[in-house]
Amino acid sequence: NAGVTQTPKFQVLKTGQSMTLQCAQDMNHEYMSWYRQDPGMGLRLIHYSVGAGITDQGEVPNGYNVSRSTTEDFPLRLLSAAPSQTSVYFCASSSQRGGTDTQYFGPGTRLTVL
Amino acid sequence: GEDVEQSLFLSVREGDSSVINCTYTDSSSTYLYWYKQEPGAGLQLLTYIFSNMDMKQDQRLTVLLNKKDKHLSLRIADTQTGDSAIYFCADLHGSGNTGKLIFGQGTTLQVKP
Repeated sequence: NAGVTQTPKFQVLKTGQSMTLQCAQDMNHEYMSWYRQDPGMGLRLIHYSVGAGITDQGEVPNGYNVSRSTTEDFPLRLLSAAPSQTSVYFCASSSQRGGTDTQYFGPGTRLTVL
Repeated sequence: GEDVEQSLFLSVREGDSSVINCTYTDSSSTYLYWYKQEPGAGLQLLTYIFSNMDMKQDQRLTVLLNKKDKHLSLRIADTQTGDSAIYFCADLHGSGNTGKLIFGQGTTLQVKP
């Protein structure tokens, strides 16, 4: 199993550009989520999905869109990038949302918006 | 909203014990977790504790939970240089598919040889 994969690893955007961060998992997990990590602020939940076709907002959803057309993939879209979206983005998956089940994290995408 | 707080930095000598502390505000917490993040990598689940437990031991790791004071700690015995990383405390607020993980800011552990 490859686990959770994210692409790209690094990205530089100009203000106003759009892009999609890719996330895929091969563990047949129902639950997937996107976090952003900023210095001194821990991880904050952006969006999550409890299964194909179902998504919901997390703590900081503004400026981001998601979709879940398959169990494996959960892309995160930035519609019009802003410098405030400069961050490290992590995708995670688990077979359930909490409890004793492990959340598996991807290696992260480091995004800089100029 | 619910909050999780950690001190930002801890420095210890190799072979000593490390204790990383965390406080949380959630009265309906079900599980509490410790994650480890090595440089340039994602988060790795180290251990977790159910909210009705006081202590959990797993090899060099000991988790203590004081539910009355909403205080969680992670003790690493015989700390090694490979333990240098950022450690995150996280609280599962709610349960099932409505539960939400709330992370602390992370504690950077520096292990000096």
